[in-house]
Amino acid sequence: RKEVEQDPGPFNVPEGATVAFNCTYSNSASQSFFWYRQDCRKEPKLLMSVYSSGNEDGRFTAQLNRASQYISLLIRDSKLSDSATYLCVVTDYKLSFGAGTTVTVRA
Amino acid sequence: EPEVTQTPSHQVTQMGQEVILRCVPISNHLYFYWYRQILGQKVEFLVSFYNNEISEKSEIFDDQFSVERPDGSNFTLKIRSTKLEDSAMYFCASSSGTGGPEAFFGQGTRLTVV
Repeated sequence: RKEVEQDPGPFNVPEGATVAFNCTYSNSASQSFFWYRQDCRKEPKLLMSVYSSGNEDGRFTAQLNRASQYISLLIRDSKLSDSATYLCVVTDYKLSFGAGTTVTVRA
Repeated sequence: EPEVTQTPSHQVTQMGQEVILRCVPISNHLYFYWYRQILGQKVEFLVSFYNNEISEKSEIFDDQFSVERPDGSNFTLKIRSTKLEDSAMYFCASSSGTGGPEAFFGQGTRLTVV
């Protein structure tokens, strides 16, 4: 079983739409969880941390379910600039990356 | 805003040659990492480094790879005898802790082995 698995997408959505996708992880001892964003041929950049209580950052909402070992990201009111690959990241002594979920927001 | 810097941004080398990729982590960070991403594939962990020694390494990080922190600021990845399959984007990252704080990534070095 892969350490971190994501739905690869692509999710192709119109501007203004809501898009949501999940990530599952295998190591129940994982300590921290993040969503990173990666634009084409660029470095991963932290989008947001994910907390057990769930957290929001503007149009982005992240949820963590430790019992089921999954993380979710929801993007409301999608913008063209949200087009990117979203990387689920789980940490113990290192960051383990999912393969990424590609989101394309169209005008 | 503090950032991780990597040099060079692009390196082309002949198969069998040695390359050194350089990174300057964020100054008060203690944990350093190298990752690689082959074009179109996922980001893969290579090695983590703390307190002047390797703390973890992946199966990819075999004997042809080494890391060093030669002074108080630089963190280097050396590939001794490059192979075509080493062609990838190499990212350096640093964090203030492990298992908790987020890591910050440099812009990457694109290594092309010909």
